[in-house]
Amino acid sequence: NAGVMQNPRHLVRRRGQEARLRCSPMKGHSHVYWYRQLPEEGLKFMVYLQKENIIDESGMPKERFSAEFPKEGPSILRIQQVVRGDSAAYFCASSPNSVPRNGNTIYFGEGSWLTVV
Amino acid sequence: GESVGLHLPTLSVQEGDNSIINCAYSNSASDYFIWYKQESGKGPQFIIDIRSNMDKRQGQRVTVLLNKTVKHLSLQIAATQPGDSAVYFCAETRMDSSYKLIFGSGTRLLVRP
Repeated sequence: NAGVMQNPRHLVRRRGQEARLRCSPMKGHSHVYWYRQLPEEGLKFMVYLQKENIIDESGMPKERFSAEFPKEGPSILRIQQVVRGDSAAYFCASSPNSVPRNGNTIYFGEGSWLTVV
Repeated sequence: GESVGLHLPTLSVQEGDNSIINCAYSNSASDYFIWYKQESGKGPQFIIDIRSNMDKRQGQRVTVLLNKTVKHLSLQIAATQPGDSAVYFCAETRMDSSYKLIFGSGTRLLVRP
């Protein structure tokens, strides 16, 4: 977990509001992944990004969710018009390259817990 | 469809005993497997991995066994300690999307003192 910084750690939003989750990858890592974890479930892949590019967003809901990884600054996962079903832990991971064939080169952050009330 | 599942949602063991956590996967195209440990309120932490051309790999107090014939993976923890209490996930990747981890549903390990 060392080095991947996520904030906020906890976020409460009312239904219909927007949630923005930020992720700063480990130093030297240019590949970022977002995963969602519902209570008592495993993590589910959402999106894979490189700087200024979305490589694979096959796990992202088609509406209300978007992700970016700008040239400067952290990666952002944005959820518009949140609903109760969006309540989950959102984890960011980073790796130094796009083919992480060793699991110990993928580092996860501590997560952002979103609660929608 | 994609599926990596576990047989036992909760495992309770006595401190000092060995623990075995099991995982089944459904896709024979999976070629790389990882075990993660997740403590409450934290992100997944890498424990050990194994490639599909192997059937056993050992680490410090942990061993992963892979049976490709029945698509089964297990994690053995020797001399389980209270600090091992956590949720354990297996995850798989496939050659055509090696960056994408497919996680199972997890097993909670409780270590009794």
